[in-house]
Amino acid sequence: ETGVTQTPRHLVMGMTNKKSLKCEQHLGHNAMYWYKQSAKKPLELMFVYNFKEQTENNSVPSRFSPECPNSSHLFLHLHTLQPEDSALYLCASSPHFVGGNEQFFGPGTRLTVL
Amino acid sequence: TQLLEQSPQFLSIQEGENLTVYCNSSSVFSSLQWYRQEPGEGPVLLVTVVTGGEVKKLKRLTFQFGDARKDSSLHITAAQTGDTGLYLCAGATSLDSNYQLIWGAGTKLIIKP
Repeated sequence: ETGVTQTPRHLVMGMTNKKSLKCEQHLGHNAMYWYKQSAKKPLELMFVYNFKEQTENNSVPSRFSPECPNSSHLFLHLHTLQPEDSALYLCASSPHFVGGNEQFFGPGTRLTVL
Repeated sequence: TQLLEQSPQFLSIQEGENLTVYCNSSSVFSSLQWYRQEPGEGPVLLVTVVTGGEVKKLKRLTFQFGDARKDSSLHITAAQTGDTGLYLCAGATSLDSNYQLIWGAGTKLIIKP
């Protein structure tokens, strides 16, 4: 138990569906992250929120839409996804948005787009 | 583009053997982290190395940061089945005042009983 929870753990959706991934951290951290993990590839940083403000958007397609209502919760809204978006989506948090900080990860949501 | 190359990509050995995995880059990092990810879980931090030449030990795991802070190695002595997992290295750097973690693609390690 890392203090970061993610729901759902598994999600299968069609290309026309709309769904949301949820992340919650119970660690009192100020920074939260969304990553995409595909087999044999480095973790891809998608979005960073620091004190609820988005600080990074690494050229992520607009079919992925993040939301951070407070420093404990992070959402990733999905719509009109493509099969190549199938991957493990990891949420992480850290005390501050500093590169050397340890990041605490949730267990991930395994997403399959049909 | 900053890259971290991890080798080997995959390693399967018998319990009790020793192994070393590597993390290499042409870039200099202010620190480097090693994580282990087990199936169905997110990565969990094992260690952070900060100083060039630094060696840290975590039971049977020995981590070394290169003198030039461009590379790192993880050595496991007398591997156990519980060491099975995906080992990820991540280098911390600052680029244009934005702190970043640069991730390797990982070494998938399987320890057979």
